[in-house]
Amino acid sequence: AQSVTQLDSQVPVFEEAPVELRCNYSSSVSVYLFWYVQYPNQGLQLLLKYLSGSTLVKGINGFEAEFNKSQTSFHLRKPSVHISDTAEYFCAVIRGSQGNLIFGKGTKLSVKP
Amino acid sequence: DAGITQSPRHKVTETGTPVTLRCHQTENHRYMYWYRQDPGHGLRLIHYSYGVKDTDKGEVSDGYSVSRSKTEDFLLTLESATSSQTSVYFCATETGTDEQYFGPGTRLTVT
Repeated sequence: AQSVTQLDSQVPVFEEAPVELRCNYSSSVSVYLFWYVQYPNQGLQLLLKYLSGSTLVKGINGFEAEFNKSQTSFHLRKPSVHISDTAEYFCAVIRGSQGNLIFGKGTKLSVKP
Repeated sequence: DAGITQSPRHKVTETGTPVTLRCHQTENHRYMYWYRQDPGHGLRLIHYSYGVKDTDKGEVSDGYSVSRSKTEDFLLTLESATSSQTSVYFCATETGTDEQYFGPGTRLTVT
């Protein structure tokens, strides 16, 4: 079985501050990892994904994430956030090329002026 | 934007009534999914389809059925709605590259 744990349900930050949203997964086999963003009253949109290769993955809107196999983590980072980054962020995992997306419970990022 | 629409966008229904939600896509994606989103639970997979008339159960399939008679349409049916099925329902599609595209969601309230 595999699961995804997002360690923080809510993260408040001030505008232009750096942010890290944490994600840990459990799996005994190789995984594909994803971060999705959901703006208020909208569907989810892919931010970035890790399938293989470089462990540092860059996504849209200035976000990046680093795959750490030894720590089974895939934390999302942004060096300077904007008000418009206020949204809910979901980490998700697929085991290899099989199976379906398993989502974490989400982290609500609130950016304050 | 993968051209995914969901209908209705909002629905209020009574316990025990049947409800059908529709997902329509214009991109000819092979795979389609239905999720429900509830506070504190993230998104959970209800059913998915890997082609016309090919469907399978997800994590929370009890009380739901699906049908896919055309590539572009994926229907989710609640045979007899219960209050526990009050949720926001999202449809998603995928070409097979592991990236899923989500619709705008349907907010269903069962009273």
